[in-house]
Amino acid sequence: AQSVTQLDSQVPVFEEAPVELRCNYSSSVSVYLFWYVQYPNQGLQLLLKYLSGSTLVKGINGFEAEFNKSQTSFHLRKPSVHISDTAEYFCAVSPFGAGSYQLTFGKGTKLSVIP
Amino acid sequence: EAQVTQNPRYLITVTGKKLTVTCSQNMNHEYMSWYRQDPGLGLRQIYYSMNVEVTDKGDVPEGYKVSRKEKRNFPLILESPSPNQTSLYFCASSSIGLYSNTEAFFGQGTRLTVV
Repeated sequence: AQSVTQLDSQVPVFEEAPVELRCNYSSSVSVYLFWYVQYPNQGLQLLLKYLSGSTLVKGINGFEAEFNKSQTSFHLRKPSVHISDTAEYFCAVSPFGAGSYQLTFGKGTKLSVIP
Repeated sequence: EAQVTQNPRYLITVTGKKLTVTCSQNMNHEYMSWYRQDPGLGLRQIYYSMNVEVTDKGDVPEGYKVSRKEKRNFPLILESPSPNQTSLYFCASSSIGLYSNTEAFFGQGTRLTVV
């Protein structure tokens, strides 16, 4: 079984400042890692994913994440946030080979960008 | 356009009155699932289906039923809704297979209130 811990439930940040949203996972098998974003009153949208290869993954809207196997972390970063980045962000894992099914989600981090 | 369609988007009902939330996808995905999202708890899986006529319980199946008679549709049934099923519900679909298109697509959500 897998579990995901998002260390911050809410993160306020000023516009144009950098941000890091933290995610740690636990699993007895290798995993795929994902970040999803949920804008107000919308469904979830894939931001980026790590399957294998380079540990630094780039996604949409200028976000990137780094997979750290030894620390079992997959933190999400953006060097300069915009008002439109205000949303809830979910980290998720699935067992290696399971693709995007069998997803286990974290509890989410609400990012609020302050003008 | 690839999409997952849920209906209705909003629903208020009374305790004990049976209801169905529909979900349809147009991507020929084998895998479909239902999640509920509650504040502070993230997304929890209710039921999932690996293909037609193949369904299984997720983490919080009590009080829900599903069916998968056609590949594109995966309705969620609440036979006797109770107030603790007031929540935001999401349907998702994805393909299956090693290194398949590893993205889960989500519907827009159904906000259910049981009074």
